[in-house]
Amino acid sequence: NAGVTQTPKFQVLKTGQSMTLQCAQDMNHNSMYWYRQDPGMGLRLIYYSASEGTTDKGEVPNGYNVSRLNKREFSLRLESAAPSQTSVYFCASVDRLNSPLHFGNGTRLTVT
Amino acid sequence: AQTVTQSQPEMSVQEAETVTLSCTYDTSESNYYLFWYKQPPSRQMILVIRQEAYKQQNATENRFSVNFQKAAKSFSLKISDSQLGDTAMYFCACSGTYKYIFGTGTRLKVLA
Repeated sequence: NAGVTQTPKFQVLKTGQSMTLQCAQDMNHNSMYWYRQDPGMGLRLIYYSASEGTTDKGEVPNGYNVSRLNKREFSLRLESAAPSQTSVYFCASVDRLNSPLHFGNGTRLTVT
Repeated sequence: AQTVTQSQPEMSVQEAETVTLSCTYDTSESNYYLFWYKQPPSRQMILVIRQEAYKQQNATENRFSVNFQKAAKSFSLKISDSQLGDTAMYFCACSGTYKYIFGTGTRLKVLA
């Protein structure tokens, strides 16, 4: 049982490049989330998908887009990467409201 | 809107002693839960404990317990008999209406 799988684990981009972070869960969870973690800032919510077919902005959505491809997959896209988007990105999922989040192992992204 | 505040960026404790990590929150939700997560150097996010806001009784999990003061919007974590393996970042989180909001974290170091 893999849980929440994020790919890639590491990525280096140049300013202006685009990329998509992939996330998949095999627990049949309804809701999925993208967070970024920066030193001294904790985890900040970028976007979330309460259920398949819906997405909503979190605390820091600017510069990102998301797609809930199906119930299993929730991707995060950076259209034009900026150095300020250098961070560790976490995907998480949950089966129902107020249950504990299950996290992936994170993607370390560096934008130069 | 939900906010979570952790005012102690770093703390240390001697092995076998007790330490308390502070967390305050604010939410307009009537139905919400509170969580403590642990993040060791491996970067994995691990659920430590969960508290249902409608329950007055404080949650406990082995050496971990909380002091939940609903009127004061305070949710502190007590770690008893601290062990070297407790060295990690600890994040407080609040859930409600599908949003899970995290604090900035407290880095705990357990000293031998």
